[in-house]
Amino acid sequence: AQSVTQLDSHVSVSEGTPVLLRCNYSSSYSPSLFWYVQHPNKGLQLLLKYTSAATLVKGINGFEAEFKKSETSFHLTKPSAHMSDAAEYFCVVTPNSGNTPLVFGKGTRLSVIA
Amino acid sequence: GAVVSQHPSRVICKSGTSVKIECRSLDFQATTMFWYRQFPKQSLMLMATSNEGSKATYEQGVEKDKFLINHASLTLSTLTVTSAHPEDSSFYICSARSGGPGNEQFFGPGTRLTVL
Repeated sequence: AQSVTQLDSHVSVSEGTPVLLRCNYSSSYSPSLFWYVQHPNKGLQLLLKYTSAATLVKGINGFEAEFKKSETSFHLTKPSAHMSDAAEYFCVVTPNSGNTPLVFGKGTRLSVIA
Repeated sequence: GAVVSQHPSRVICKSGTSVKIECRSLDFQATTMFWYRQFPKQSLMLMATSNEGSKATYEQGVEKDKFLINHASLTLSTLTVTSAHPEDSSFYICSARSGGPGNEQFFGPGTRLTVL
């Protein structure tokens, strides 16, 4: 079975400071991991994905995430937050095999303070 | 990336009526489409998975007679909420995928349903 735990429901940072959104996963199989962003009343946009290649994954808008198997973590980071980064972020897991649907974390709301 | 559209973006209806939501893949053929429901400030919950030309597979606890899903073509899936009640008010999001499970899912912008 797969599960995702996003450790913080809300993170608040000042503009220009680093962002860290934490995600831990559990998977019976070798997982694929994703981070999606959702702006208010909008659909989800893929930020980045890990599918068993390089463990450090670079995504759009300056975001990146590192897959750490020993820690079962896939934390999302960005060196410098922009006001436009304020949104809801979802960590998602699915196994690499089979037809199992995506499993979403509960989400982390990122606020960026001017 | 590929584009998925949903129509309508917002709908308000009276209790007891039925509402149809369309999900279209605009520039690719979606062999599989997914329907999610999202309550305020909560995560997405998968309702059902549909493959083109076959019956949808519903998640546990989702009433298939209430949430009718049709995936008649490779670019269109519809979700019909039958005899809607206020507790059905929610944000409904579809996603579409071409090919197998390893391929990316592309999400639509969502439909806000309000049942009075």
